[in-house]
Amino acid sequence: AQTVTQSQPEMSVQEAETVTLSCTYDTSENNYYLFWYKQPPSRQMILVIRQEAYKQQNATENRFSVNFQKAAKSFSLKISDSQLGDTAMYFCALGRGATNKLIFGTGTLLAVQP
Amino acid sequence: ETGVTQTPRHLVMGMTNKKSLKCEQHLGHNAMYWYKQSAKKPLELMFVYNFKEQTENNSVPSRFSPECPNSSHLFLHLHTLQPEDSALYLCASSQAALGEETQYFGPGTRLLVL
Repeated sequence: AQTVTQSQPEMSVQEAETVTLSCTYDTSENNYYLFWYKQPPSRQMILVIRQEAYKQQNATENRFSVNFQKAAKSFSLKISDSQLGDTAMYFCALGRGATNKLIFGTGTLLAVQP
Repeated sequence: ETGVTQTPRHLVMGMTNKKSLKCEQHLGHNAMYWYKQSAKKPLELMFVYNFKEQTENNSVPSRFSPECPNSSHLFLHLHTLQPEDSALYLCASSQAALGEETQYFGPGTRLLVL
């Protein structure tokens, strides 16, 4: 079975600081993708960053970067220079290579404090 | 704005009503999805359409009836719903070619069943 676990229901960070959100997953597939999505209070689910499992290099997107540890099945998101607009629910998701289904974690609610 | 629109944004209906949710994607994608998002639960995949053909029905009750007339439009027809069906319903689309798993989400329809 494919599973995604986010063990931090809520986190808080001060503006301009760095925060890391954790995600672990389980899959028997070799070809898969991992995603972080952000859902702010407006409810629009927005892609933050994606990682292909076959790539060893960690994905980076401006202030967002991941630490992908394939052997440990860990996929954490680091947000640098946190901004008030980063306040949102963050979901980790696993996509399997042979299908187009995404499996989501339960989310981490991040609050950026001024 | 992700290129996926949903209407209506809010809907209140009685258990005996019939209503429809609409989703439209302007991204040229060929796969579309319906998800249900309830409080404190992971996103639940309901239906998947690839090239207008339904390829996934995740044990969804028959009171939810999807329709995909073309690759750009997706509907979810609702009838005789239950209060526990109250949730945020999200539509997503992707280019379901091999190697492209990223799904883009609409803003959702907040449904309340009385």
